[in-house]
Amino acid sequence: DVKVTQSSRYLVKRTGEKVFLECVQDMDHENMFWYRQDPGLGLRLIYFSYDVKMKEKGDIPEGYSVSREKKERFSLILESASTNQTSMYLCASSLYREGYGYTFGSGTRLTVV
Amino acid sequence: AQTVTQSQPEMSVQEAETVTLSCTYDTSENNYYLFWYKQPPSRQMILVIRQEAYKQQNATENRFSVNFQKAAKSFSLKISDSQLGDTAMYFCAFMKPVSQGGSEKLVFGKGTKLTVNP
Repeated sequence: DVKVTQSSRYLVKRTGEKVFLECVQDMDHENMFWYRQDPGLGLRLIYFSYDVKMKEKGDIPEGYSVSREKKERFSLILESASTNQTSMYLCASSLYREGYGYTFGSGTRLTVV
Repeated sequence: AQTVTQSQPEMSVQEAETVTLSCTYDTSENNYYLFWYKQPPSRQMILVIRQEAYKQQNATENRFSVNFQKAAKSFSLKISDSQLGDTAMYFCAFMKPVSQGGSEKLVFGKGTKLTVNP
């Protein structure tokens, strides 16, 4: 089975800190995604990547950046964390095959205080 | 832009009964993919079922089946013989394929919280 691993299950950071959320997948998937999940809002796409060093903005990229230096790893960066970035962050990966579904990580619950 | 609407924020069902979760979507495309994902409490999101729009036959996976009404842009999920382990958030999602000028990204609805009662 494909495994998508998010490095932290829970994180607490202070306002203004630079925060790194790490995601690693082990099945050579080309596509990787970062979503944010909030109650009543569902999942919203922050950034995604089709290949190493490639990135595309999603629907809510403001305040975030990403890095994909290796195929298996996709990092989400909060340049200066704010309280409105308190949320559940989900990483996912998929094959570059039309209509293929995602495999999700377990999520990182980030609290910014 | 495509949108996905799940009109039932919460639902409940008795164990062993059948429940149907609603999903509608808005698109002008003829070919696309639809998905239902399940997110159990504090656990990983997993794919439940997948439907290709150009296939008229409704997808089924064991106790899970869909009622895909393309003209009505409706994609409901039916869970038969509900089990306690079906308690979860359920998300409907839409994907416009790359061949139609889309990308690999999924557009999700806001979710339906399903509780199965003993």
